[in-house]
Amino acid sequence: AQKITQTQPGMFVQEKEAVTLDCTYDTSDQSYGLFWYKQPSSGEMIFLIYQGSYDEQNATEGRYSLNFQKARKSANLVISASQLGDSAMYFCAMRPYSGNTGKLIFGQGTTLQVKP
Amino acid sequence: DVKVTQSSRYLVKRTGEKVFLECVQDMDHENMFWYRQDPGLGLRLIYFSYDVKMKEKGDIPEGYSVSREKKERFSLILESASTNQTSMYLCASSLGDRATNEKLFFGSGTQLSVL
Repeated sequence: AQKITQTQPGMFVQEKEAVTLDCTYDTSDQSYGLFWYKQPSSGEMIFLIYQGSYDEQNATEGRYSLNFQKARKSANLVISASQLGDSAMYFCAMRPYSGNTGKLIFGQGTTLQVKP
Repeated sequence: DVKVTQSSRYLVKRTGEKVFLECVQDMDHENMFWYRQDPGLGLRLIYFSYDVKMKEKGDIPEGYSVSREKKERFSLILESASTNQTSMYLCASSLGDRATNEKLFFGSGTQLSVL
């Protein structure tokens, strides 16, 4: 079965500190993509970062980086220097290549609260 | 920028009503999706469409149908709304080039309450 698991329902972090949001995945595909989205209280899903299964280097986008450990099937999101505006729900998602439908499989989400 | 517009932000309906949720995208995307978001369950795929008049069931299609008569518009239909369909509904679209890095663009969501 293809599945994404986020085991942290809620997280707190102090402003300006770094935080890691956990994500593990399960797929038998050799080729797949991993995504992180942010959902503020407004409800819109904002794309943050992408990692391909064949990418040798961890993806980075500004303050966001993806700690990709293929053997452990984990794709943790690291946010450096947290800001108050980072308070939101974060979703990890996977696109398996097989089936080629374009759909994303999402995890349960992690709510992050940044404390001033 | 891609814009995905959902017709209503909040909707309140009664049990048994037929409900239409509308979604429009302005970037000529091939793929469109309807997800449902519930606390603790994340986003679950209801239906998707990869071309006009084409549709495929997602993981939880029961109680729903869809319509895609034009490329830019994808409608989700609740034939007879029930209280267990109270949820946040998110529409999304993507280009359709079938690459693993193809991201989805989402609308702002419709919070549906069925009383």
